[in-house]
Amino acid sequence: NAGVTQTPKFRVLKTGQSMTLLCAQDMNHEYMYWYRQDPGMGLRLIHYSVGEGTTAKGEVPDGYNVSRLKKQNFLLGLESAAPSQTSVYFCASTSNTGELFFGEGSRLTVL
Amino acid sequence: AQKITQTQPGMFVQEKEAVTLDCTYDTSDQSYGLFWYKQPSSGEMIFLIYQGSYDEQNATEGRYSLNFQKARKSANLVISASQLGDSAMYFCAMRGSSRSGNTGKLIFGQGTTLQVKP
Repeated sequence: NAGVTQTPKFRVLKTGQSMTLLCAQDMNHEYMYWYRQDPGMGLRLIHYSVGEGTTAKGEVPDGYNVSRLKKQNFLLGLESAAPSQTSVYFCASTSNTGELFFGEGSRLTVL
Repeated sequence: AQKITQTQPGMFVQEKEAVTLDCTYDTSDQSYGLFWYKQPSSGEMIFLIYQGSYDEQNATEGRYSLNFQKARKSANLVISASQLGDSAMYFCAMRGSSRSGNTGKLIFGQGTTLQVKP
């Protein structure tokens, strides 16, 4: 069982570059989330989706875009990366009645 | 607005002793859920335990128990018989009811780093 898979695991960007993080889940979950983790701040919700074709803003959405074209995939995009977006990004999914299942995380560094 | 507060940035415990990690929450929802996750140094998020707001008994999962005090809005994690492998960051999180529009998402506290001494 793969669960929740994030790619890539590590990435270094220069300021102004763009990139997309891919999250894939094989548990047929309706709900998917992107969080970022920064030291001393816990996990903060960037965007989330309650089903295929739907997305919504979380706590810290600025500078990010998302898409959920297929139920199993949730993409997080950075159109013009900034050093403030250096972080560890976690994707998660749930059926809404249970716990969140997390991917292994993607470490992004913006120089 | 919902909020989770973990006031202990770091904790130490001697191996084989019990330790309590504090978590307080704030919500206006009548129905909500409280979660604890463990994050070892390898970085993955591991689900430990869940407590529903209407559950009358404290949740337990092996060496983990959740001391749920609804009136005080606290949901402390108790780890009994600490092991070296318990050294990790621990996060408390809350999910509100669907009527509040939270749609399954969790709100996390800042985390507590636990170090178990041999």
